Amino acid sequence: KNEVEQSPQNLTAQEGEFITINCSYSVGISALHWLQQHPGGGIVSLFMLSSGKKKHGRLIATINIQEKHSSLHITASHPRDSAVYICAAPEYTGFQKLVFGTGTRLLVSP
Amino acid sequence: NAGVTQTPKFRILKIGQSMTLQCAQDMNHNYMYWYRQDPGMGLKLIYYSVGAGITDKGEVPNGYNVSRSTTEDFPLRLELAAPSQTSVYFCASSDRGATQYFGPGTRLTVL
Repeated sequence: KNEVEQSPQNLTAQEGEFITINCSYSVGISALHWLQQHPGGGIVSLFMLSSGKKKHGRLIATINIQEKHSSLHITASHPRDSAVYICAAPEYTGFQKLVFGTGTRLLVSP
Repeated sequence: NAGVTQTPKFRILKIGQSMTLQCAQDMNHNYMYWYRQDPGMGLKLIYYSVGAGITDKGEVPNGYNVSRSTTEDFPLRLELAAPSQTSVYFCASSDRGATQYFGPGTRLTVL
């Protein structure tokens, strides 16, 4: 069964800084998910990626399948980026059930 | 589209009471999930369903039951509530192998 670990657990930054959150997993996967949980509690999916890199606005997600590692980058961070960022991977190769990391709590100060 | 809806948003139960958390989606997704989120912990899968009439246990199913009589609805039943079931509950849905869409969550306290 896949095990998902994120680092760091907590991250503080000044507005405008470049942010990196890391995720590693133990079992080869078909796709890795990045999610954002807002301070109010709602969860939205940011990315699902199986190779290379994806970009949406100031958010960039990369994955290295051989090293079983993914990163989420935020460029020019803003206070509204303050949230918990969660990565998730399938429980087993090809399975739909996800295993979630414990999340990285990001606080961006003005 | 409303997406995934959950009711209620908040609930306080006494030990031993029962309740049903409602979840509905209007995206015609076959896959639906129930998760619980405890402070400082990752989301844990309680039950999931791959289509109407088909359900299976997740990682933490004890104390819960589900049913899936329609594609749209996936209620979660708590029988004999215990303090250990105090948590935030999220319902989600997806197509096979695709992004999961989450409901707004239900914050449950058992006293």
